[in-house]
Amino acid sequence: GQNIDQPTEMTATEGAIVQINCTYQTSGFNGLFWYQQHAGEAPTFLSYNVLDGLEEKGRFSSFLSRSKGYSYLLLKELQMKDSASYLCAVRPRNYQLIWGAGTKLIIKP
Amino acid sequence: NAGVTQTPKFQVLKTGQSMTLQCAQDMNHEYMSWYRQDPGMGLRLIHYSVGAGITDQGEVPNGYNVSRSTTEDFPLRLLSAAPSQTSVYFCASSSQGAYSSYNSPLHFGNGTRLTVT
Repeated sequence: GQNIDQPTEMTATEGAIVQINCTYQTSGFNGLFWYQQHAGEAPTFLSYNVLDGLEEKGRFSSFLSRSKGYSYLLLKELQMKDSASYLCAVRPRNYQLIWGAGTKLIIKP
Repeated sequence: NAGVTQTPKFQVLKTGQSMTLQCAQDMNHEYMSWYRQDPGMGLRLIHYSVGAGITDQGEVPNGYNVSRSTTEDFPLRLLSAAPSQTSVYFCASSSQGAYSSYNSPLHFGNGTRLTVT
């Protein structure tokens, strides 16, 4: 079967760095997405990886290892507004996205 | 530019009632989809469309119908509401159609919070 695993919840301190992991097992691979979802709001796109390596976008970076079925989202210089759920989604061979359950990130002052 | 607009934002139905959730996008996106989001679970695809006149089933289609008569609109119909359909529903679109690249991100509407009693 197809599966995506993420930690359910993580806690970090304002100003620190946090790494949110995502492991996947899918039938084929055509890219991995990260989305941010604040409570009660819609998911918004953060990043896309299809090749191995690190993609950096300001305070956020996303890493992919296709051979290990593994990705992480790295958030630097954490701010209170980063408190949200972070969703990992993989596009397997059959075109439609498979979604993880999301990681709720709690930022403490 | 409104993006993806969903109505209503909140809805309470009694078991057996029917209703339509509306979704419209003004980005000329080919691809549109409906998801439901339940606590502790990932987003689950209900139905999707890769262009006007084309629809297909996702992972959890039972109890729902869709149509795509225009590029802009993609309504979701609940035929006979059940308590198991209590959820948050998101409509999402992207520029990815049947022949586009795979890296087009989804743009989500603000969601409809549905309760079935």
